[in-house]
Amino acid sequence: QVHLQQSGPGLVNPSQTLSLTCAISGDSVSSNSATWNWIRQSPSRGLEWLGRTYFRSKWNNGYGESVKSRITINSDTSKNQFSLHLNSVTPEDTAVYYCADLDRAWGQGTLVTVSS
Amino acid sequence: QSVLTQPPSASGTPGQRVTISCSGSSSNIGRNTVNWYQQLPGTAPKVLIYRNDQRPSGVPDRFSGSKSGTSASLAISGLQSEDEADYYCAAWDDRLNGRWVFGGGTKLTVL
Repeated sequence: QVHLQQSGPGLVNPSQTLSLTCAISGDSVSSNSATWNWIRQSPSRGLEWLGRTYFRSKWNNGYGESVKSRITINSDTSKNQFSLHLNSVTPEDTAVYYCADLDRAWGQGTLVTVSS
Repeated sequence: QSVLTQPPSASGTPGQRVTISCSGSSSNIGRNTVNWYQQLPGTAPKVLIYRNDQRPSGVPDRFSGSKSGTSASLAISGLQSEDEADYYCAAWDDRLNGRWVFGGGTKLTVL
């Protein structure tokens, strides 16, 4: 049973970088069958897919169009985790952020507020 | 506006069967499988159905999913008070280099 545990700050200053980490238990971040996603949820945007990383003989990434120019998702095999980095944030990036394997499990969520 | 279309609300009485629809297009539901998620108030979404009709271990068989063409449905039989939650459908969309898309959610009320 895969379990995802998120960590990271709940408050980010405007123009700075939002960084969150998702620790995986019950599977490997370099599994050849899993994909690891970041999604956010806000009243104005609903559920919005941000991007994913996955390993299929090599690492692959895919990003949503709305954040494509600002987002990086990477993985750390030594810690069995993957991370989200979203730069140049504005108050519109305020949301609950989730990591997920969309076929199996979601993290607990992190409310991130962008404010000075 | 969400890419997948769900009714904003649904309701039923205990023991009843309710269905929630999810409408998409040829680039998402028409070509790819559908997942359903249950979100209880103040909690993270939980996988209810994946790949159209597969239930993770621990999900009661009162919950079932189906897909036909560019639409999908979630059925809940023997409705219980603890089923009161928001329900979301999701599918991979092949447009714009590929992305997951979601429905706007259906708030289920158990009367």
